[in-house]
Amino acid sequence: QAQLVESGGGVVRPGRSLRLSCAASGFYFSRYSMHWVRQAPGKGLEWVALISYDGRISYYADPVKGRFTISRDNSANTLSLHMNSVISDDTALYFCVKEANAFDIWGQGTMVTVSS
Amino acid sequence: QAGLTQPPSVSKGLRQTATLTCTGNSNNVGNEGAAWLQQRQGHPPKLLCYRNNVRPSGIAERFSASRSGNTGSLTITGLQPEDEADYYCSAWDSSLNAWVFGGGTKLTVL
Repeated sequence: QAQLVESGGGVVRPGRSLRLSCAASGFYFSRYSMHWVRQAPGKGLEWVALISYDGRISYYADPVKGRFTISRDNSANTLSLHMNSVISDDTALYFCVKEANAFDIWGQGTMVTVSS
Repeated sequence: QAGLTQPPSVSKGLRQTATLTCTGNSNNVGNEGAAWLQQRQGHPPKLLCYRNNVRPSGIAERFSASRSGNTGSLTITGLQPEDEADYYCSAWDSSLNAWVFGGGTKLTVL
């Protein structure tokens, strides 16, 4: 059964960095594009970034462009999100998501709180 | 990045039919259609339909989607108490090279 488990969230000061990870299992990780989607407390879903199945292509939402980097290690079935220069608006639950035509498998999320 | 437009809330009675809408433009919903997700309180979202009306395995036939122009719709028939949730639409925007979401519709089953 396909499963995604996020980790790495926590409390981080504004301007600092944080790295989120997502461990994939139960499916051929290297065949699918992967995404990060976030949800601020009490708010809706916001797409953050995607990376192609082979890691060659990535796209970012405007609010994170130039600050966040999505990457993957297909040999380790792992997706990452490097978050630099974080701001208060980055406070959210971050979901790792598999894409097969649409967002078909979601992790439980890891919470990131940006606070001084 | 401009998002998709969904009504904030819809209320319907038990066993009734609810239709939720999602309006975008020709670069997103009007292009490849919308995907629909259900999010119950405290849980991650679950995919209900994609490419207008393809349901993943295990999703009940009570959930169906359609599209007319730049507006997608999710219809839920025979409403059950467990259908009370937030519903989001999403679509790939070919002009932005980005996925966009609607703001979500909170469905209340009376």
